[in-house]
Amino acid sequence: EAGVAQSPRYKIIEKRQSVAFWCNPISGHATLYWYQQILGQGPKLLIQFQNNGVVDDSQLPKDRFSAERLKGVDSTLKIQPAKLEDSAVYLCASSGSDRVGTQYFGPGTRLLVL
Amino acid sequence: AQSVTQLGSHVSVSEGALVLLRCNYSSSVPPYLFWYVQYPNQGLQLLLKYTSAATLVKGINGFEAEFKKSETSFHLTKPSAHMSDAAEYFCAVSAGFGNEKLTFGTGTRLTIIP
Repeated sequence: EAGVAQSPRYKIIEKRQSVAFWCNPISGHATLYWYQQILGQGPKLLIQFQNNGVVDDSQLPKDRFSAERLKGVDSTLKIQPAKLEDSAVYLCASSGSDRVGTQYFGPGTRLLVL
Repeated sequence: AQSVTQLGSHVSVSEGALVLLRCNYSSSVPPYLFWYVQYPNQGLQLLLKYTSAATLVKGINGFEAEFKKSETSFHLTKPSAHMSDAAEYFCAVSAGFGNEKLTFGTGTRLTIIP
Protein backbone atom coordinates (compact mmCIF):
# COMPACT_ATOMS: atom_id res chain seq x y z
CA GLU A 1 0.00 0.00 0.00
CA ALA A 2 1.45 3.34 -1.01
CA GLY A 3 1.95 5.87 1.75
CA VAL A 4 1.18 9.56 1.88
CA ALA A 5 2.98 11.43 -0.88
CA GLN A 6 4.10 15.06 -0.67
CA SER A 7 5.88 17.42 -3.00
CA PRO A 8 8.12 19.25 -3.20
CA ARG A 9 10.42 17.90 -0.50
CA TYR A 10 12.32 21.16 -0.15
CA LYS A 11 11.55 24.76 -1.06
CA ILE A 12 13.47 28.00 -0.59
CA ILE A 13 11.70 31.30 -1.25
CA GLU A 14 12.08 34.98 -0.45
CA LYS A 15 9.73 36.62 2.04
CA ARG A 16 6.54 38.00 0.49
CA GLN A 17 6.65 35.34 -2.25
CA SER A 18 3.99 32.65 -2.54
CA VAL A 19 4.43 28.89 -2.32
CA ALA A 20 2.23 25.82 -2.66
CA PHE A 21 2.55 22.30 -1.32
CA TRP A 22 0.82 19.20 -2.61
CA CYS A 23 -0.34 16.08 -0.78
CA ASN A 24 -1.76 12.78 -2.00
CA PRO A 25 -3.18 10.73 0.89
CA ILE A 26 -3.34 6.97 1.27
CA SER A 27 -5.94 5.57 -1.11
CA GLY A 28 -9.37 5.43 0.49
CA HIS A 29 -8.54 7.69 3.44
CA ALA A 30 -11.32 10.21 3.87
CA THR A 31 -9.59 12.45 6.40
CA LEU A 32 -6.58 14.59 5.54
CA TYR A 33 -4.54 16.84 7.84
CA TRP A 34 -1.90 19.52 7.35
CA TYR A 35 0.53 20.15 10.21
CA GLN A 36 3.24 22.76 10.66
CA GLN A 37 6.38 21.64 12.48
CA ILE A 38 8.71 24.45 13.51
CA LEU A 39 12.27 23.44 14.37
CA GLY A 40 12.48 22.07 17.89
CA GLN A 41 8.71 21.75 18.32
CA GLY A 42 6.05 19.13 17.85
CA PRO A 43 3.72 19.31 14.85
CA LYS A 44 0.78 21.70 15.13
CA LEU A 45 -2.46 21.09 13.26
CA LEU A 46 -3.26 23.72 10.64
CA ILE A 47 -6.32 22.23 8.98
CA GLN A 48 -8.34 19.01 8.88
CA PHE A 49 -10.50 17.87 5.95
CA GLN A 50 -13.18 15.20 5.94
CA ASN A 51 -13.56 14.29 2.27
CA ASN A 52 -13.58 17.76 0.68
CA GLY A 53 -15.08 19.61 3.64
CA VAL A 54 -13.17 21.48 6.34
CA VAL A 55 -13.57 20.03 9.84
CA ASP A 56 -11.12 22.22 11.75
CA ASP A 57 -9.12 25.23 10.56
CA SER A 58 -9.03 27.10 13.85
CA GLN A 59 -5.22 27.36 13.85
CA LEU A 60 -4.79 28.24 10.18
CA PRO A 61 -3.57 31.85 9.68
CA LYS A 62 -6.25 32.62 7.17
CA ASP A 63 -4.81 35.99 6.18
CA ARG A 64 -1.95 34.22 4.41
CA PHE A 65 -2.62 30.48 4.41
CA SER A 66 -5.22 28.66 2.33
CA ALA A 67 -5.91 25.01 1.65
CA GLU A 68 -8.22 23.04 -0.53
CA ARG A 69 -9.08 19.45 -1.17
CA LEU A 70 -10.89 19.20 -4.45
CA LYS A 71 -12.73 15.93 -5.14
CA GLY A 72 -11.87 14.69 -1.67
CA VAL A 73 -8.49 13.22 -2.62
CA ASP A 74 -5.41 15.40 -3.24
CA SER A 75 -4.88 18.59 -1.29
CA THR A 76 -2.84 21.76 -1.70
CA LEU A 77 -1.67 24.17 0.98
CA LYS A 78 -0.72 27.67 -0.10
CA ILE A 79 1.08 30.50 1.65
CA GLN A 80 0.78 34.00 0.22
CA PRO A 81 2.68 36.11 1.12
CA ALA A 82 5.27 34.13 3.06
CA LYS A 83 6.94 35.47 6.20
CA LEU A 84 10.23 34.50 7.79
CA GLU A 85 8.39 32.74 10.62
CA ASP A 86 6.73 30.38 8.12
CA SER A 87 10.03 28.51 7.82
CA ALA A 88 9.09 25.02 8.97
CA VAL A 89 8.33 21.50 7.83
CA TYR A 90 4.80 21.06 6.52
CA LEU A 91 3.49 17.58 7.12
CA CYS A 92 0.48 15.99 5.51
CA ALA A 93 -1.28 13.05 7.18
CA SER A 94 -4.32 10.95 6.39
CA SER A 95 -6.55 8.60 8.34
CA GLY A 96 -9.08 5.99 7.35
CA SER A 97 -12.04 4.32 8.96
CA ASP A 98 -10.53 2.79 12.13
CA ARG A 99 -12.35 4.11 15.20
CA VAL A 100 -9.19 5.67 16.57
CA GLY A 101 -8.49 7.77 13.51
CA THR A 102 -4.86 6.64 13.35
CA GLN A 103 -2.91 9.15 11.28
CA TYR A 104 -0.21 8.23 8.77
CA PHE A 105 2.26 10.90 7.79
CA GLY A 106 4.02 11.84 4.58
CA PRO A 107 7.72 12.77 4.40
CA GLY A 108 7.00 16.50 4.70
CA THR A 109 8.01 19.61 2.79
CA ARG A 110 10.81 21.64 4.33
CA LEU A 111 10.27 25.35 3.67
CA LEU A 112 12.93 28.01 4.17
CA VAL A 113 11.86 31.65 3.85
CA LEU A 114 14.74 34.10 3.38
CA ALA B 1 -8.71 20.40 26.00
CA GLN B 2 -5.75 18.08 25.76
CA SER B 3 -2.03 18.49 26.23
CA VAL B 4 1.12 16.41 26.38
CA THR B 5 4.33 16.96 28.32
CA GLN B 6 7.49 15.14 27.38
CA LEU B 7 10.09 15.29 30.13
CA GLY B 8 13.59 15.63 28.76
CA SER B 9 14.19 17.16 25.37
CA HIS B 10 17.37 15.11 25.02
CA VAL B 11 18.05 11.60 26.30
CA SER B 12 21.30 9.67 25.83
CA VAL B 13 21.69 5.98 26.52
CA SER B 14 24.41 3.45 25.82
CA GLU B 15 23.87 0.80 23.19
CA GLY B 16 22.24 -2.21 24.88
CA ALA B 17 20.87 -0.15 27.79
CA LEU B 18 17.24 0.46 28.70
CA VAL B 19 15.46 3.24 26.85
CA LEU B 20 12.86 5.21 28.83
CA LEU B 21 11.14 8.22 27.28
CA ARG B 22 8.58 9.98 29.46
CA CYS B 23 5.18 11.30 28.46
CA ASN B 24 2.45 12.74 30.66
CA TYR B 25 -0.90 13.80 29.29
CA SER B 26 -3.86 15.90 30.25
CA SER B 27 -7.28 15.16 28.81
CA SER B 28 -10.88 15.97 29.72
CA VAL B 29 -12.08 12.72 28.12
CA PRO B 30 -10.62 9.22 27.99
CA PRO B 31 -7.66 9.70 25.70
CA TYR B 32 -6.16 7.87 22.80
CA LEU B 33 -2.37 8.05 23.03
CA PHE B 34 0.30 7.63 20.40
CA TRP B 35 4.07 7.47 20.06
CA TYR B 36 5.62 8.50 16.76
CA VAL B 37 9.28 8.40 15.70
CA GLN B 38 10.89 10.85 13.29
CA TYR B 39 14.21 10.12 11.61
CA PRO B 40 16.19 13.01 10.10
CA ASN B 41 14.51 14.59 7.09
CA GLN B 42 11.59 12.19 7.25
CA GLY B 43 7.96 12.27 8.30
CA LEU B 44 6.51 10.71 11.43
CA GLN B 45 6.21 6.94 11.70
CA LEU B 46 3.71 5.37 14.10
CA LEU B 47 5.42 3.29 16.79
CA LEU B 48 2.39 2.29 18.85
CA LYS B 49 -1.00 3.46 20.08
CA TYR B 50 -3.24 3.09 23.13
CA THR B 51 -6.94 2.80 22.35
CA SER B 52 -8.45 1.83 25.73
CA ALA B 53 -7.93 -1.91 25.29
CA ALA B 54 -4.81 -3.37 26.95
CA THR B 55 -2.85 -0.92 29.09
CA LEU B 56 0.48 -2.39 27.98
CA VAL B 57 0.91 -1.71 24.30
CA LYS B 58 3.56 -3.30 22.12
CA GLY B 59 4.79 -1.55 19.02
CA ILE B 60 7.31 -1.89 16.26
CA ASN B 61 11.08 -2.20 16.68
CA GLY B 62 10.80 -3.69 20.18
CA PHE B 63 9.19 -0.64 21.79
CA GLU B 64 6.33 -0.78 24.26
CA ALA B 65 4.40 1.69 26.40
CA GLU B 66 2.19 1.38 29.45
CA PHE B 67 -0.90 3.51 30.02
CA LYS B 68 -1.22 4.49 33.69
CA LYS B 69 -4.39 6.44 34.32
CA SER B 70 -3.56 7.19 37.97
CA GLU B 71 -0.29 8.81 36.91
CA THR B 72 -1.64 10.24 33.61
CA SER B 73 1.44 8.75 31.96
CA PHE B 74 2.28 6.85 28.80
CA HIS B 75 6.03 6.26 28.98
CA LEU B 76 7.86 4.56 26.11
CA THR B 77 10.41 1.83 26.83
CA LYS B 78 12.74 -0.54 25.05
CA PRO B 79 14.82 -3.10 26.98
CA SER B 80 17.95 -2.81 24.86
CA ALA B 81 18.87 0.22 22.76
CA HIS B 82 20.21 -0.15 19.26
CA MET B 83 22.15 2.40 17.25
CA SER B 84 19.26 2.56 14.76
CA ASP B 85 16.95 3.87 17.53
CA ALA B 86 18.61 7.29 17.38
CA ALA B 87 15.81 9.66 16.33
CA GLU B 88 13.24 12.16 17.63
CA TYR B 89 10.27 10.69 19.48
CA PHE B 90 6.90 12.39 19.85
CA CYS B 91 4.06 11.56 22.18
CA ALA B 92 0.57 12.66 21.08
CA VAL B 93 -2.98 12.58 22.42
CA SER B 94 -6.39 12.71 20.78
CA ALA B 95 -9.97 12.49 21.97
CA GLY B 96 -10.67 9.68 19.55
CA PHE B 97 -13.49 9.08 17.14
CA GLY B 98 -15.13 12.29 16.01
CA ASN B 99 -12.27 14.37 17.35
CA GLU B 100 -9.11 12.85 15.96
CA LYS B 101 -6.99 15.99 16.11
CA LEU B 102 -3.57 15.09 17.49
CA THR B 103 -1.91 17.28 20.10
CA PHE B 104 1.82 16.62 20.19
CA GLY B 105 4.47 17.04 22.82
CA THR B 106 7.66 18.92 22.04
CA GLY B 107 9.61 15.76 21.35
CA THR B 108 12.59 13.92 22.85
CA ARG B 109 15.78 13.46 20.89
CA LEU B 110 17.29 10.06 21.64
CA THR B 111 21.04 9.61 21.20
CA ILE B 112 22.65 6.19 21.40
CA ILE B 113 26.20 6.02 22.71
CA PRO B 114 28.29 3.22 21.16
